[in-house]
Amino acid sequence: EVQLVQSGAEVKKPGESLQISCKASGYSFSTYFIAWVRQMPGKGLQWIGIIYPSDSDTRYSPSFQGQVTISADKSISTAFLQWSGLGSSDSAIYYCARLYARKLDYWGQGTLVTVSS
Amino acid sequence: QSVLTQPPSASGTPGQRVTISCSGSSSNIGNNAVSWYLQLPGAAPKLLIYSNTQRPSGVPDRFSGSKSGTSASLAISGLQSEDETDYYCAAWDDSLNGLVFGGGTKLTVL
Repeated sequence: EVQLVQSGAEVKKPGESLQISCKASGYSFSTYFIAWVRQMPGKGLQWIGIIYPSDSDTRYSPSFQGQVTISADKSISTAFLQWSGLGSSDSAIYYCARLYARKLDYWGQGTLVTVSS
Repeated sequence: QSVLTQPPSASGTPGQRVTISCSGSSSNIGNNAVSWYLQLPGAAPKLLIYSNTQRPSGVPDRFSGSKSGTSASLAISGLQSEDETDYYCAAWDDSLNGLVFGGGTKLTVL
């Protein structure tokens, strides 16, 4: 059974760094893209970017380029989303999902990130 | 401002058939397959339709998708109370080289 299990909710202060994770199981992690999607409170879905774990090929939406870093560790079948300096506008739920044939067929449960002073 | 355009709301009565539209452009829907996602309150989105018309296993055949040109539609027949939730369309965008989403449609079962 394909599963994506994300790390727990985070509460951070503005300017702090953060890394959240997405652990995959039930399939060959290296050979499928992992996507990250943001959902701000009460809003729709926004594409952040994708990574191909086999070679760490990473692509970002122009809206998120330079704002976040996507990475993956094949040895532990885990993808990561990282911020070096959070802002209040980063408060949102972040989902990882498996990208296959340009569709998101399996999703993680989401990680709530709250940035507040 | 979402790249794909969906109506913010839709409604129907139990047993009725409702459709939700999704409009895009030649760089996304016009040239790529559309997928639809359902998101129950407090839950992660779930794939509902892919490749314009295909249903993943476990999705009832009450749900169907179609595409024509730069627009797509999700149809739900035999509307049930548990269908009341948010629906999103998505398609790959060749210009952005990523997936773009509609703003979401909140379906109300009256």
